[in-house]
Amino acid sequence: GAGVSQSPRYKVAKRGQDVALRCDPISGHVSLFWYQQALGQGPEFLTYFQNEAQLDKSGLPSDRFFAERPEGSVSTLKIQRTQQEDSAVYLCASSPSGTGGLYYGYTFGSGTRLTVV
Amino acid sequence: SQKIEQNSEALNIQEGKTATLTCNYTNYSPAYLQWYRQDPGRGPVFLLLIRENEKEKRKERLKVTFDTTLKQSLFHITASQPADSATYLCAGYDMRFGAGTRLTVKP
Repeated sequence: GAGVSQSPRYKVAKRGQDVALRCDPISGHVSLFWYQQALGQGPEFLTYFQNEAQLDKSGLPSDRFFAERPEGSVSTLKIQRTQQEDSAVYLCASSPSGTGGLYYGYTFGSGTRLTVV
Repeated sequence: SQKIEQNSEALNIQEGKTATLTCNYTNYSPAYLQWYRQDPGRGPVFLLLIRENEKEKRKERLKVTFDTTLKQSLFHITASQPADSATYLCAGYDMRFGAGTRLTVKP
């Protein structure tokens, strides 16, 4: 497709349930970021991939959060044993280049709104 | 720690005026800064990127400056319109974002 696609668009999970959020970046895009955005806040960095390599996962808030991009294209963010504080919008962004050679910014998906009840 | 800060949470201006938003960075020297626009329920949309050796960059009614002495970038929207109302986000080269400034342009 022409843009970054995220699914599902909305997810309601019961506390303690595991969830998986999917990001389909633009074909051929090398860099991929995941963010968590609380209402009224800026996107908070979670993790960064360059192709299939997870180069930075320093933003993952706990070991309940796990991200993968096994073939360097589609990425999945998994949250185990969800808690209410995990409720947020999860955004994915991709770019054709790594951060060192960036010229045109990143393309974001519309996000997945996760609500933990 | 490295930080991107946007000074004001909200900015209200009258249609036709120039909106000026501020982004400050601390504890690092970004090779470039980026500005994005975010509308409610949508992901951020890239607007402009300015490199540290570029003092100013323009795109239509948008202008961005980069002052490495002040460690600051200013984002200007001239002849503002109600359709410019949105949240504007600043990000460093490491794709860490500030909290954003919510701009409202009143007719």
